[in-house]
Amino acid sequence: GAVVSQHPSRVICKSGTSVKIECRSLDFQATTMFWYRQFPKQSLMLMATSNEGSKATYEQGVEKDKFLINHASLTLSTLTVTSAHPEDSSFYICSANVQGTPYEQYFGPGTRLTVT
Amino acid sequence: GNSVTQMEGPVTLSEEAFLTINCTYTATGYPSLFWYVQYPGEGLQLLLKATKADDKGSNKGFEATYRKETTSFHLEKGSVQVSDSAVYFCALRYGGSQGNLIFGKGTKLSVKP
Repeated sequence: GAVVSQHPSRVICKSGTSVKIECRSLDFQATTMFWYRQFPKQSLMLMATSNEGSKATYEQGVEKDKFLINHASLTLSTLTVTSAHPEDSSFYICSANVQGTPYEQYFGPGTRLTVT
Repeated sequence: GNSVTQMEGPVTLSEEAFLTINCTYTATGYPSLFWYVQYPGEGLQLLLKATKADDKGSNKGFEATYRKETTSFHLEKGSVQVSDSAVYFCALRYGGSQGNLIFGKGTKLSVKP
């Protein structure tokens, strides 16, 4: 089946620094990738949708200058949290659509970000 | 607006017990409904789906029926196994196949031998 990986699985960074999270589709091409954020005991909240080669579409309330998304190829999307603060600590999850199967979203295992 | 409400966990059951995880939704129009499962250390996986009223989704012994009259999509399994221990998320998609997913908060299931 379609596999999505994320790297790193866990990251700890200091306040004010930036951190990049990678999302890769391992055995398929993903024209659309999604980034979600999950707080403890809360549901996944969609942050943005990215299409290969174009700018990401951010959900209302998500700061596009803080959460930089790049989808440079059909198998890689990156999320960069710039000038991170403790309130950015969360679980970040990406997913991808297999081309031609829009009902199927394949999810990565998530990245736990802790900002100290 | 559109939202999904599912029962809070954790749910702890003995092996071979009957499972129900309740899920209700609020949506304009006719959303598609999904159950996702997340096993420890893994990403969410689609468990089953239903795209219109009265549809029944089923997979791996799990079932859920799209009930428009009660706006519900309850997940059931007749006999759970230890390997079913996971977090289960109910979700809806509005806006057709290109629409976004809206998730419930997830319900953690633990099955004891």
